[in-house]
Amino acid sequence: AQSVAQPEDQVNVAEGNPLTVKCTYSVSGNPYLFWYVQYPNRGLQFLLKYITGDNLVKGSYGFEAEFNKSQTSFHLKKPSALVSDSALYFCAVRDRTGGFKTIFGAGTRLFVKA
Amino acid sequence: DSGVTQTPKHLITATGQRVTLRCSPRSGDLSVYWYQQSLDQGLQFLIQYYNGEERAKGNILERFSAQQFPDLHSELNLSSLELGDSALYFCASSVGKGTGGPDTQYFGPGTRLTVL
Repeated sequence: AQSVAQPEDQVNVAEGNPLTVKCTYSVSGNPYLFWYVQYPNRGLQFLLKYITGDNLVKGSYGFEAEFNKSQTSFHLKKPSALVSDSALYFCAVRDRTGGFKTIFGAGTRLFVKA
Repeated sequence: DSGVTQTPKHLITATGQRVTLRCSPRSGDLSVYWYQQSLDQGLQFLIQYYNGEERAKGNILERFSAQQFPDLHSELNLSSLELGDSALYFCASSVGKGTGGPDTQYFGPGTRLTVL
């Protein structure tokens, strides 16, 4: 069965430090991979996606994600965290082989401390 | 602002009742998706419509139904409501059919449903 795992419920980081939010997946083939962010009382906002090509994908607000096929991971990263990055982050996967559903991870709450 | 609108923002109702949630997709988007977000279930895909036709079904209960109208707005109908239906309901839209494609989904602000 297809699944997405975000192994950390919460990540704490100091402002200015690099951050990583982890995501691993179990999907057949080479899926499309997405990261979304949800701020309090708001809908999800698209950050970035991996389709093909370069394993390092750059997205909105200075975020980037690294696709690792052998480890089936798609970790979200940012070189220098901001307090305003504090939010709930979702990793999502869509099967490339005709699947129609996007499967979301459980979400990771990021706290950036000033 | 994603360009996807949802009404109402909040809805409080009683068990056994029926409610309708409304979604207007971004201009030009043909697909509409409905999701339920709750603390215990996370973000669950319910159903997708593409250009007026049902395209995919997820974990949608039989008490729930949806449709997409000719002007592409969509409505999610929830009936015989139970306490466990209390959740945040999101609508998202994308340009294409979303079937295995890399379409980005743009989410609305959600409707918070409280069933008392």
